[in-house]
Amino acid sequence: QVQLQESGPGLVKPSQTLSLTCTVSGGSISSGSYYWSWIRQPAGKGLEWIGRIYTSGSTNYNPSLKSRVTISVDTSKNQFSLKLSSVTAADTAVYYCARDVSAYQLPPFWFDPWGQGTLVTVSS
Amino acid sequence: SYVLTQPPSVSVAPGQTARITCGGNNIGSKSVHWYQQKPGQAPVLVVYDDSDRPSGIPERFSGSNSGNTATLTISRVEAGDEADYYCQVWDSSSDLFGGGTKLTVL
Repeated sequence: QVQLQESGPGLVKPSQTLSLTCTVSGGSISSGSYYWSWIRQPAGKGLEWIGRIYTSGSTNYNPSLKSRVTISVDTSKNQFSLKLSSVTAADTAVYYCARDVSAYQLPPFWFDPWGQGTLVTVSS
Repeated sequence: SYVLTQPPSVSVAPGQTARITCGGNNIGSKSVHWYQQKPGQAPVLVVYDDSDRPSGIPERFSGSNSGNTATLTISRVEAGDEADYYCQVWDSSSDLFGGGTKLTVL
């Protein structure tokens, strides 16, 4: 059974770059032709999809964040990562990683399973 | 841009049926997925592709989608179903979530 676990600094200063890693266990990140996503949730608010990556390295980002987001994958470590640059207080949120699933390895995707999430606070 | 509209809250007595809606322009032409999120926990997929259930999700959870409204139906509601519920679609190369609905079990 695949499990995902986010890791990274819980506190980032404004204007700096937020960096998180998602470690996949219970299966190879390269098997099954899955995509892998990052999703965030500010406290008390709804969910926002950030972007996804395929194990080939191809990516797809939320247009509202595209200029600041980079998602990468390291298949040798069974991990994928998120970098969000020029952060502000508005980027304070719980960040989740998730596996993307679809019927034909093409959109539309649904997310299953999710990691437990990690809180990132942007503050000086 | 595409917008998904959910009621902020729905209340239902135990044993009754809860219906949570997700509105969007011609949403019936899209594939809708639903997630349950309990306080302090990650979301869990409860319905995908409008009406399919992942393994381990009770048959009490069902979904439908037509016209401008998708609906998550929870039959024989239990206290443990109290949670936030989110709908999700893919549109214009991006994934979108509804604002979420808090289900309260009276």
